[in-house]
Amino acid sequence: DAKTTQPPSMDCAEGRAANLPCNHSTISGNEYVYWYRQIHSQGPQYIIHGLKNNETNEMASLIITEDRKSSTLILPHATLRDTAVYYCIVRKGDTDKLIFGTGTRLQVFP
Amino acid sequence: GAVVSQHPSWVICKSGTSVKIECRSLDFQATTMFWYRQFPKQSLMLMATSNEGSKATYEQGVEKDKFLINHASLTLSTLTVTSAHPEDSSFYICSARDSGRAVSGEQYFGPGTRLTVT
Repeated sequence: DAKTTQPPSMDCAEGRAANLPCNHSTISGNEYVYWYRQIHSQGPQYIIHGLKNNETNEMASLIITEDRKSSTLILPHATLRDTAVYYCIVRKGDTDKLIFGTGTRLQVFP
Repeated sequence: GAVVSQHPSWVICKSGTSVKIECRSLDFQATTMFWYRQFPKQSLMLMATSNEGSKATYEQGVEKDKFLINHASLTLSTLTVTSAHPEDSSFYICSARDSGRAVSGEQYFGPGTRLTVT
């Protein structure tokens, strides 16, 4: 699986948009980009995933660059409950395995 | 949404004993489940892939005789930590994908089991 690179930590003010970057420069054509988050001492929670096109759901938006070498997860209006570690994962579409990197620790402050 | 449960949520055992952790998909069937381990302030590490009706596939460096996995039904996988030692103390998490949905679909994670070996 392609390796991903994320900043170790970020801060965001409550109510503002949180933009979490992820670099996956070695991604191949059949690999998807997934985002999960883990709130302290809980199991990871699925957020969103995409292949080529930008995606949006009730939780977040995923912006994938045209060359697919990087992506950004956008939480449009961050709340204190969004404080968590966010993981960007690249996975092949024909395999179930998720290999977690070190993630970004997002701290939302009042 | 799909729910994965784990039991127990936490367990304390003595060194040398064995501990069984259950992972259940509550409202979907899962031919494949995964087991992860997470040490404090570290990321999740994939331990093994649990396959319904067949042997589990272990990641490199994970002892299959120490971490026994059984996937006897489409909704249940168990992880048994045999002859537990203090260094096995960790947060164990399972995940599963709905077999009726695309392979590229999301996986659902359980809430985790915190194991403490004294």
